[in-house]
Amino acid sequence: EIVLTQSPGTLSLSPGQRATLSCRASQSVNSNFLTWYQQKPGQAPRLLMYGTSTRATGVPDRFRGSGSGRDFTLTISRLEPEDSAVYYCQQYGSSPPMYIFGQGTKVE
Amino acid sequence: EVQLVESGGGLVKPGGSLRLSCAASGFVFRDAYMNWVRQTPGKGLEWVGRIKNTNDRETTDYAAPVKGTFTISRDNSKSMLYLHMSSLTTEDTAVYYCTTLMTVATQNFDYWGPGTLVTVSS
Repeated sequence: EIVLTQSPGTLSLSPGQRATLSCRASQSVNSNFLTWYQQKPGQAPRLLMYGTSTRATGVPDRFRGSGSGRDFTLTISRLEPEDSAVYYCQQYGSSPPMYIFGQGTKVE
Repeated sequence: EVQLVESGGGLVKPGGSLRLSCAASGFVFRDAYMNWVRQTPGKGLEWVGRIKNTNDRETTDYAAPVKGTFTISRDNSKSMLYLHMSSLTTEDTAVYYCTTLMTVATQNFDYWGPGTLVTVSS
């Protein structure tokens, strides 16, 4: 079973700074199936990025996804206060069907 | 606008059963794969299971920890998704989210409901 490890656990930055979040898989994954979600306190997760680098509807272009193989990155280029949240990566494996989440990175 | 609203959560004793419901609107329900995802403070986000769309014969798949004890079903005429949980243990305590999966090519959860809390405790 694939394991997704996110780092760092917490990122403490100031508005305007760049945030770089890492998601490493225990084995190579299909980049079409690598997804990022944003979860704010008291809310459900929200789709942020899918297919590694495609922003979901309404996601500002300061969010950028990249990567391939085992290593994927979510970059927030100019942090805004409303970007404070926990970010999760997720991947899909088909044999057997399974959706795996990373443990999350908190951006504050 | 896509809306998902879960209901049916609550307190249940170990070994008990519970049925969660999810009312969906704003999209063609029968065309979407539907999933249940749960979240605990300790384990984070965990996929529970999915039911495919009508075109894919509404087949179901489950995560290993719940296989054999949880059952997912759907009523397309009512745009409703269900999760029947039996033989519950304290490990099943979580917020349960109903999610859509509209694009099989990317296998992501497009929309999430606000969640319903299930607490398994004696």
